[in-house]
Order: sequence, then C-alpha cells, then structure tokens
Amino acid sequence: NAGVTQTPKFQVLKTGQSMTLQCAQDMNHNSMYWYRQDPGMGLRLIYYSASEGTTDKGEVPNGYNVSRLNKREFSLRLESAAPSQTSVYFCASERTGRNQPQHFGDGTRLSIL
Amino acid sequence: TQLLEQSPQFLSIQEGENLTVYCNSSSVFSSLQWYRQEPGEGPVLLVTVVTGGEVKKLKRLTFQFGDARKDSSLHITAAQPGDTGLYLCAGAKGSNYKLTFGKGTLLTVNP
Repeated sequence: NAGVTQTPKFQVLKTGQSMTLQCAQDMNHNSMYWYRQDPGMGLRLIYYSASEGTTDKGEVPNGYNVSRLNKREFSLRLESAAPSQTSVYFCASERTGRNQPQHFGDGTRLSIL
Repeated sequence: TQLLEQSPQFLSIQEGENLTVYCNSSSVFSSLQWYRQEPGEGPVLLVTVVTGGEVKKLKRLTFQFGDARKDSSLHITAAQPGDTGLYLCAGAKGSNYKLTFGKGTLLTVNP
C-alpha cells in the first residue's frame, strides 16, 4: 500500500504565482487534513475534511483553498503565493472513530521567492 | 495560543543514556498521541493514551498519561542512534476530529 501520496515533493514559486498541492490516500479513510510545518512552530492545521463533500477551516486557513475531489483526493491551492507561505506541507488521512491515528504523507517542500 | 507545550525543545545525548520528554497543557484532552518524525518524512504514530494515569510500553519507550489527562511524558531507556528524530505529542478533545500538536522535541542520540 502506498498510504498517503503527496505531489510534488519540492516546488519553488515566485511571489504571486499559483499552484495546487495534490494528496491522495488509498486506505479508504473518511477524514483528510492539510498541515504546514515551520521551524519552531510545530504542525499547524490549515484545512480539514471530515468526509467527502465537506471541508472546514483549521488554525491557519488564510491564503489557501481546498477541494475534496472524491474520497481519495484532497488538494490544497495557493492562489497568489507569498513568501510567508514558504513551508513544508503535510497531508494526512484518518479513519473515522475515536483515537484513530493520522497517517501522513512525506510532505511537499515549498519555497516562495 | 499553544495548547500543548513540549519540553525540552532540543535534546542531545550519548548512546545508552536515559531521557524523558514532556508534553504539558492547561487543557484536558480525551486522548493524547505521540508521533516520531524522521528527516524528510511525515510523522508516524507511536502510541495513543486515553485513560488518566495510563502507562504504555513500546520496547524501550514508556509513555504515561497524567491522572488529570492534561499532560504526558515519554521516557526512553538506553537510547540508541535509531531513536533520533522529532517527537511530537498531539491531543484530541471530545468527538472533534482535529488534533492539536505540540511544537516537538528534537532528539539526537550520538553513537
């Protein structure tokens, strides 16, 4: 099983450019999440989707949009990238139920110049 | 507001030493998870603790959930270089799906 797959692994953008980070899971999980990880800040939740067809804002949603395309795929879009969005982005998925573990992809390292 | 405080932020020790890292909060959590993250990879779950006072062991790792479910600790006995990584605690409240992550403890075990 591939688990959670994120593409691309690395990306460099110029300020103002747009791009979409892709995430797909093959575990038939209902819940999916997007986090950003910055030095000294830990993991911060951007958006999440508790089930197909629903999305909700997390702690730091400004400057981002998401789409839960189907049960497998959850994409994160930066409409107009800013240097403050330079970060490592992680997608995670989780089976519905109490105390379930989150399964993470290996991240997308995004630099915005 | 950081709901989960982890300490120490950095820890560098020699192989064979013991260590404890802490995860503290003023909030009560219904459960708490510990993850380990290696460079270039995503976090991987180590353990979930759900009952106040619960102790779980995973080989040389011992996890404890505080009686009031506000804090947790991770103790590693006879640390090995393979234990090197970022240790993250994450708390869940009630039926809310969202986890709150601490900032992590970066552990380096030198041979």
